[in-house]
Amino acid sequence: GDSVTQMEGPVTLSEEAFLTINCTYTATGYPSLFWYVQYPGEGLQLLLKATKADDKGSNKGFEATYRKETTSFHLEKGSVQVSDSAVYFCALRSNFGNEKLTFGTGTRLTIIP
Amino acid sequence: DVKVTQSSRYLVKRTGEKVFLECVQDMDHENMFWYRQDPGLGLRLIYFSYDVKMKEKGDIPEGYSVSREKKERFSLILESASTNQTSMYLCASSSQGGRSYNQPQHFGDGTRLSIL
Repeated sequence: GDSVTQMEGPVTLSEEAFLTINCTYTATGYPSLFWYVQYPGEGLQLLLKATKADDKGSNKGFEATYRKETTSFHLEKGSVQVSDSAVYFCALRSNFGNEKLTFGTGTRLTIIP
Repeated sequence: DVKVTQSSRYLVKRTGEKVFLECVQDMDHENMFWYRQDPGLGLRLIYFSYDVKMKEKGDIPEGYSVSREKKERFSLILESASTNQTSMYLCASSSQGGRSYNQPQHFGDGTRLSIL
């Protein structure tokens, strides 16, 4: 079945550092890929998405590129801020008519000033 | 903006009680979902519904049931609450419009449920 593997956290970085959170997936066909973010005390918000190979999703300075050859969708940001502290979830949805999302376990990110 | 509203942010119940968690969305979405979120396990799908009165089991349906009598409302029911159902519960909705696999799910703020 489908699965998503994220780098384990927690991840702690200084403000203005470069961020990478690794995400790899296993799925048949051509899934759509998503990054969701969960700020403290809130539900999940869609951060960005990509729906086909080589697509780059971007939002709020975050980027992720759909790499079919490596089955990866790594999240990156060039200069993180304290306000980026949150839990980040990678997810996929199969394109075989299934509405389900498969999530990774989440990566907690803490940015220190 | 899509709004998914869960009826309670925090809930404390006792073992054996019947517990209802309510979720309402205001964007006329066809699909609605219930997840539970536990540390180290991420989000796990309990049930989902793609139409009124329709439901499908997710990955961990045991001990739960759902009800969808109206399009905008999706209820999660713990028939006889147990301590291992203490968790954060998240409701989500999504559209079936267009290429539905591109449509993101929109989440509520969650209900933190404690079973004593």
